[in-house]
Amino acid sequence: SQQGEEDPQALSIQEGENATMNCSYKTSINNLQWYRQNSGRGLVHLILIRSNEREKHSGRLRVTLDTSKKSSSLLITASRAADTASYFCATDDAAGNKLTFGGGTRVLVKP
Amino acid sequence: DTAVSQTPKYLVTQMGNDKSIKCEQNLGHDTMYWYKQDSKKFLKIMFSYNNKELIINETVPNRFSPKSPDKAHLNLHINSLELGDSAVYFCASSQGAGEKLFFGSGTQLSVL
Repeated sequence: SQQGEEDPQALSIQEGENATMNCSYKTSINNLQWYRQNSGRGLVHLILIRSNEREKHSGRLRVTLDTSKKSSSLLITASRAADTASYFCATDDAAGNKLTFGGGTRVLVKP
Repeated sequence: DTAVSQTPKYLVTQMGNDKSIKCEQNLGHDTMYWYKQDSKKFLKIMFSYNNKELIINETVPNRFSPKSPDKAHLNLHINSLELGDSAVYFCASSQGAGEKLFFGSGTQLSVL
């Protein structure tokens, strides 16, 4: 079963709007990561947030982590057409040996 | 230079054949992985190697055999291909367990 599950599965917004997607997971983690995948390409790492952190920023990206609710959110501000992609969260196991990915949120940013 | 490169990008073959996918990373990482992405985009780990040693074998059929000749290379050999093996296979590497992954561009395998 998937450790992380993203919500919504798909999101369509206009350029300039913000996009928010959520990730829920089941077991304790050391860190949570977000990745982007453009169509036909490999995944690209966006941001890593550790279990003792609550919020992290990188450019137009903002990630929050609530370990009490076992959830994380990714916010993309002022979206651009180039942000059109699938976004995945990934969590490590207790030993930190492997990353388990959710099913992804497909984001379409319309120009 | 591509950090994680895998070949071929596309692989079309008949059921029952044996095929290999190669992966190389030039990042100096100790850990390499194979992931399988199905048609619904779910990404599932198959194998993980650390410095040529198998760390994770995620209940993958014996028909799949990874080989790591050195820590910069992790190849995947698949015997007796089945229709259900059709997917995109990604190689990835990381500095260590729990660190961020660097992915290759994927190999789209189609079994006819």
